[in-house]
Amino acid sequence: KQEVTQIPAALSVPEGENLVLNCSFTDSAIYNLQWFRQDPGKGLTSLLLIQSSQREQTSGRLNASLDKSSGRSTLYIAASQPGDSATYLCAVQGGNNRLAFGKGNQVVVIP
Amino acid sequence: SAVISQKPSRDICQRGTSLTIQCQVDSQVTMMFWYRQQPGQSLTLIATANQGSEATYESGFVIDKFPISRPNLTFSTLTVSNMSPEDSSIYLCSVGQQVNQPQHFGDGTRLSIL
Repeated sequence: KQEVTQIPAALSVPEGENLVLNCSFTDSAIYNLQWFRQDPGKGLTSLLLIQSSQREQTSGRLNASLDKSSGRSTLYIAASQPGDSATYLCAVQGGNNRLAFGKGNQVVVIP
Repeated sequence: SAVISQKPSRDICQRGTSLTIQCQVDSQVTMMFWYRQQPGQSLTLIATANQGSEATYESGFVIDKFPISRPNLTFSTLTVSNMSPEDSSIYLCSVGQQVNQPQHFGDGTRLSIL
């Protein structure tokens, strides 16, 4: 059974600092890895999807890397802003299109 | 990406009753899924909603407790039956078109059982 772990569970950073969020998974037989953002009281917003054959994806201030063989992904958010405060979820897709989620990184960016 | 509408957005229900949650998509989608997010926990897949046939349930979830319908490619319902306080969760619908394309989620239904 796929296990997804996200570290740290929670973190606070001052505005302007770079954020580094880590995700690890136990079964490297994945199709892709997806990072989501969840705001309080809201659903999930897809941020980035990395195919299993890719090493990284970038979108604006966000960059996600994938090391499939070691079962790790990192989400970098450059020059954090208060609007980046949210919970970030990592999910890996295996067979039958199922997503296995981590518990999330709860981020607070302090103005 | 598809626009996903879930109804109701929240509800407070009595123990022993049932609630049906609707998921409407503004375009035809191949795959629809139902997830549960218990307080302080991550998302857990309940089932894959199959168009025109019975849903495929994950281990620990059964049709009698969580009946699912998917009459067409844009609509699905999840019923939470005979509710108890342990069913208090956020229930989320997600959709996808193909493997290796992003899945997209609705805003969820926040359910509290008294």
